[in-house]
Amino acid sequence: QVQLQESGPGLVKPSETLSLSCTVSGDSIGASFNYWNWVRQSPGKGLEWIGSISYGGITKDNPSLSGRVTVSSDTSKNQFSLRLTSVTAADTAIYYCARVSSNGGFDFWGQGTLVTVSS
Amino acid sequence: DIQMTQSPPTLSASVGDRVTITCRASRAIAVWVAWYQQRPGKAPKFLIYKASTLESGVPSRFSGSGAGTDFNLTISSLQPEDFATYYCQQYNSYPRTFGQGTKVEV
Repeated sequence: QVQLQESGPGLVKPSETLSLSCTVSGDSIGASFNYWNWVRQSPGKGLEWIGSISYGGITKDNPSLSGRVTVSSDTSKNQFSLRLTSVTAADTAIYYCARVSSNGGFDFWGQGTLVTVSS
Repeated sequence: DIQMTQSPPTLSASVGDRVTITCRASRAIAVWVAWYQQRPGKAPKFLIYKASTLESGVPSRFSGSGAGTDFNLTISSLQPEDFATYYCQQYNSYPRTFGQGTKVEV
């Protein structure tokens, strides 16, 4: 069974960088034809796709985040990561990591981690 | 970006009811739509892909339909565990986008 687990600080100061990691078990991020994603959900709001990295290391991100996003991977640890720079209160959200497989949907999700941006 | 518009935002129903949620894309996306269920405090759960294909393990009372710009999620006989929020999502193009959600409540 594929499992994903987010980790990282729960509190980030305004203007600083949010950094999260996602550890994957039950699948190999570098060896399967899957895409590894970050999705967030602001309190009481809907879902927003942030960005992704492919098995081959190709990344994509949401233009609505104005180039502040970096998604990277470490195949030796079977982890992928998110960096979001210059955060504001609007970046306060639950951050999920999720897998996209050949069927195109987000089929496995982490449990989510709440990140609050506040001084 | 492709906008996904769901209706209604909230749906009041009872156990045993047949319910249908609609999702409209801002431009044609063939069948590249997925549906998710989210219970409070939990991550979304993957239900349907390619507009109408049920993910393994999802009860057969769930079904999806549509193509082009208009898509539906139907629950044939609502069960107590189905009271949740449902989201559609397009994967025709980047950025991936979600509908704003439909809350199914008692």
